[in-house]
Amino acid sequence: SQTIHQWPATLVQPVGSPLSLECTVEGTSNPNLYWYRQAAGRGLQLLFYSVGIGQISSEVPQNLSASRPQDRQFILSSKKLLLSDSGFYLCAWSGSVEQYFGPGTRLTVT
Amino acid sequence: QKEVEQDPGPLSVPEGAIVSLNCTYSNSAFQYFMWYRQYSRKGPELLMYTYSSGNKEDGRFTAQVDKSSKYISLFIRDSQPSDSATYLCAMNNAGNMLTFGGGTRLMVKP
Repeated sequence: SQTIHQWPATLVQPVGSPLSLECTVEGTSNPNLYWYRQAAGRGLQLLFYSVGIGQISSEVPQNLSASRPQDRQFILSSKKLLLSDSGFYLCAWSGSVEQYFGPGTRLTVT
Repeated sequence: QKEVEQDPGPLSVPEGAIVSLNCTYSNSAFQYFMWYRQYSRKGPELLMYTYSSGNKEDGRFTAQVDKSSKYISLFIRDSQPSDSATYLCAMNNAGNMLTFGGGTRLMVKP
């Protein structure tokens, strides 16, 4: 069966610091991968998606970036965090049409 | 106007009640319709998904799609306190990109 992992689970970072969030998927090959952000009490905002190694599409212009160095690894990064980057970050992979989410990383920028 | 509208709630019901959660949408190209359950501070969990119009039942949960009205529903029978969560609808048009509703918070009181 497929499993999706995210770490860290919780992160508190000061403004201006760098960020690296990691997502890995087990039990499937060449999945489509997604990064979402969920602000408190709000819906899901798609940030990036990837259909293969090195292939990244950005949905929202911002100070975040994503990379996919391996087939089942997806990384979300920032060089300098802003207060507005606080939120719940979710990684997902897609089956035929549905998507399956990881446990999420709660990021607080102080 | 958002593509997918969902009443944010909260919806409060007594244990054992039948719950009806709904979404409306504007894009007639949507073909696949999904419901996710999200507990506080956790990633969304796929409950069920349906293709086109009609009903689909899984245990206490029934998903209903009315494409002519652009309206989908999730019914929960014999609701339990453990059903207390935020329910997100999502839909797509056969690609892998999902459009989400903002979620409805459900509280089932013992």
